[in-house]
Amino acid sequence: ILNVEQSPQSLHVQEGDSTNFTCSFPSSNFYALHWYRWETAKSPEALFVMTLNGDEKKKGQISATLNTKEGYSYLYIKGSQPEDSATYLCAFIDNFNKFYFGSGTKLNVKP
Amino acid sequence: NAGVTQTPKFQVLKTGQSMTLQCAQDMNHEYMSWYRQDPGMGLRLIHYSVGAGITDQGEVPNGYNVSRSTTEDFPLRLLSAAPSQTSVYFCASSYSWDEGQPQHFGDGTRLSIL
Repeated sequence: ILNVEQSPQSLHVQEGDSTNFTCSFPSSNFYALHWYRWETAKSPEALFVMTLNGDEKKKGQISATLNTKEGYSYLYIKGSQPEDSATYLCAFIDNFNKFYFGSGTKLNVKP
Repeated sequence: NAGVTQTPKFQVLKTGQSMTLQCAQDMNHEYMSWYRQDPGMGLRLIHYSVGAGITDQGEVPNGYNVSRSTTEDFPLRLLSAAPSQTSVYFCASSYSWDEGQPQHFGDGTRLSIL
């Protein structure tokens, strides 16, 4: 069984704070790394697809980096807003078509 | 634009009963998959399919069967329901597995086994 670990499990920040979380994954058989945003009572929605070592992706105030050699990815949120409150999932995709999700980081942004 | 449609949304079963969770997508996606979501464990892959007629096991396949006779549909069958299968089940699809395409998720099926 392959381990994908996310930290921290939960995070409480004030509106305007910047924050970041980590996704750790095996460095072998890497094919891609995805980040998803999952709001309560909805289904996960894709944020980023990352495939190359050194990839950096940005969407608005959210960005992500990827290091496949050491097996980690960071997700950054600059100037958090209450609407950023959600669970952020990462998924490791291996060379055999399989997806392995982390258990997520639950972000709560207080107004 | 329906996307990924799962039915039913809720179901209660007795131990030993069988049932099929339905999943359909209208985006002509090749890759489809089933996950279960349990508290503190994230999403775990049950079965997946890279195209019609092709299925494979994920991380937690025991107690579940799948088939993929058409591109659109990917039903998940519980053969003999057990309390340990109480969970929320998500179906997802993507255009292809190749190039790491992002997955589109259905709204989930909440299943309780008594």
